[in-house]
Amino acid sequence: DAKTTQPPSMDCAEGRAANLPCNHSTISGNEYVYWYRQIHSQGPQYIIHGLKNNETNEMASLIITEDRKSSTLILPHATLRDTAVYYCIVRVDANNDMRFGAGTRLTVKP
Amino acid sequence: DTEVTQTPKHLVMGMTNKKSLKCEQHMGHRAMYWYKQKAKKPPELMFVYSYEKLSINESVPSRFSPECPNSSLLNLHLHALQPEDSALYLCASSRTGGSSTDTQYFGPGTRLTVL
Repeated sequence: DAKTTQPPSMDCAEGRAANLPCNHSTISGNEYVYWYRQIHSQGPQYIIHGLKNNETNEMASLIITEDRKSSTLILPHATLRDTAVYYCIVRVDANNDMRFGAGTRLTVKP
Repeated sequence: DTEVTQTPKHLVMGMTNKKSLKCEQHMGHRAMYWYKQKAKKPPELMFVYSYEKLSINESVPSRFSPECPNSSLLNLHLHALQPEDSALYLCASSRTGGSSTDTQYFGPGTRLTVL
């Protein structure tokens, strides 16, 4: 599976959009980009995933660059409850093991 | 409903004890997973069961023994653990486990302390 690089920490003001970047420059054509988050001492929570196209759901939007070497997770209106560690993971097709990187610790401030 | 339950929430055990962690899901998922997470580190995959058969064992020491009695239940039997095994143990499940689009759903974890 391709390796991912994320900034170790980010701050965001409450009510503003949080844009979390992820670099996956060695991603291959059959690898999906997944995002999970983990609020302190809880289990990881699935947020969104995509292959090539941008995706949106009730939690977030995922923007994948055309060359697929990087992506951005967007939380449109961050709240204090969005404070968590956000993990960007790439997974090869038909592979059911998921490798977490170090993630980004997002702190939403009032 | 995307709920995975884990019991107990907290467990303290001595190095000579035998204990078990339990994980349950009623989503009809056929793949189940155990992860270990040390403090301030990302989760690390330990075991994967697919259709009740062990499909991945990430070179985990034999003092950790997984068991999948049926498609809804996953156990992790613990014996002769070391203090460095203290961690958050996470269980996850997914529909089939055979595709990268197969989303994993996690339980809240069991916080294990080995004295």
